[in-house]
Amino acid sequence: AQSVTQLGSHVSVSEGALVLLRCNYSSSVPPYLFWYVQYPNQGLQLLLKYTSAATLVKGINGFEAEFKKSETSFHLTKPSAHMSDAAEYFCAVRSGTYKYIFGTGTRLKVLA
Amino acid sequence: DADVTQTPRNRITKTGKRIMLECSQTKGHDRMYWYRQDPGLGLRLIYYSFDVKDINKGEISDGYSVSRQAQAKFSLSLESAIPNQTALYFCATSDPTTDTQYFGPGTRLTVL
Repeated sequence: AQSVTQLGSHVSVSEGALVLLRCNYSSSVPPYLFWYVQYPNQGLQLLLKYTSAATLVKGINGFEAEFKKSETSFHLTKPSAHMSDAAEYFCAVRSGTYKYIFGTGTRLKVLA
Repeated sequence: DADVTQTPRNRITKTGKRIMLECSQTKGHDRMYWYRQDPGLGLRLIYYSFDVKDINKGEISDGYSVSRQAQAKFSLSLESAIPNQTALYFCATSDPTTDTQYFGPGTRLTVL
């Protein structure tokens, strides 16, 4: 069965600093991986997705993620944090039966 | 207008009451999902439906039921609400061609 694990329920960075949010997956088949973002009082929206076309995936708002099979990881990064990036971020994996399994989330705080 | 709408947005009810949460989508997709979000637990799948005649239990379906009234409508019911069903509930639909989920704004349910 597929699963994802997000390391760190809370991450704080200074404005302008690198953002790194960690996600490790478990899957017996090539995974389809996603990062979603949830801004306060809103639903989730897709940031980016990995579907095996390229290991480095670029998403919206300057975020990107790299699929590393050897490390079973799909970490989310952004070179320079902005105050507007403060939100909760969820990693997810899609099962073969089109169910989506979400991680427990990482709340990003950006310090001025 | 929003692609996925949920009503009500907030609801406070008492233990033992029957509650229905409604979801409508204008994306035209067949696949719809109900999740609940709890702090520290991420999103967990309650039920999902791939068309009007195909409804499946998710990982935490006990105490819940659903109805797929039409392609665009997917309702979640709590037959006899209990306090540990207090949570944020999200409806979503997914686009099979892009593998993207579109979420509603959520319903905050409190069971006293």
